[in-house]
Amino acid sequence: AQSVAQPEDQVNVAEGNPLTVKCTYSVSGNPYLFWYVQYPNRGLQFLLKYITGDNLVKGSYGFEAEFNKSQTSFHLKKPSALVSDSALYFCAVRDRGWSSASKIIFGSGTRLSIRP
Amino acid sequence: DAGVTQSPTHLIKTRGQQVTLRCSPKSGHDTVSWYQQALGQGPQFIFQYYEEEERQRGNFPDRFSGHQFPNYSSELNVNALLLGDSALYLCASSALDRSQETQYFGPGTRLLVL
Repeated sequence: AQSVAQPEDQVNVAEGNPLTVKCTYSVSGNPYLFWYVQYPNRGLQFLLKYITGDNLVKGSYGFEAEFNKSQTSFHLKKPSALVSDSALYFCAVRDRGWSSASKIIFGSGTRLSIRP
Repeated sequence: DAGVTQSPTHLIKTRGQQVTLRCSPKSGHDTVSWYQQALGQGPQFIFQYYEEEERQRGNFPDRFSGHQFPNYSSELNVNALLLGDSALYLCASSALDRSQETQYFGPGTRLLVL
């Protein structure tokens, strides 16, 4: 069964410093991996995805993620954190269901807090 | 281009009641998925609709049912509400004909069961 793990409940970073939010996955076959962000009292907002190709994926708001097949990881990164990046971040994998429009399996989330 | 919309935004019900939540997909999308997000947890897949049929279902009881209309909008119905059904219910839409589709989420409906 497909699954993702986010080992950190919370990550604290000073504004201007680089940030990393960790994610590891377990899939059969080629993984379809995603990062979503959730601001307070809001739905999920798509940040980026890895389907195939370059291991470094660039997404919205200056975020990027590095796919590492040997370590089964898909860590989210940003070179310089902003206070406005403070939110809840979810790593997710798309299940190999009946079609390309298959269900998403989410990690437990990591709360990112950026201090001024 | 409107994104995914959901209604209502908030809802309060009592145990045993029934509730209906609504979702309109993003323009050009034909597939709707529903997720339940309990407080402090990641979203859990409930079911997915395409061509007005339930195509996949997560580990949820039959009290949870749905419907998709010809215009691709969808409803989630929950019968015999339990306190544990209190959660944020998220709708996501996608397009089946794109092999690398992304699911886009609405703002959610926050349900409180008393």
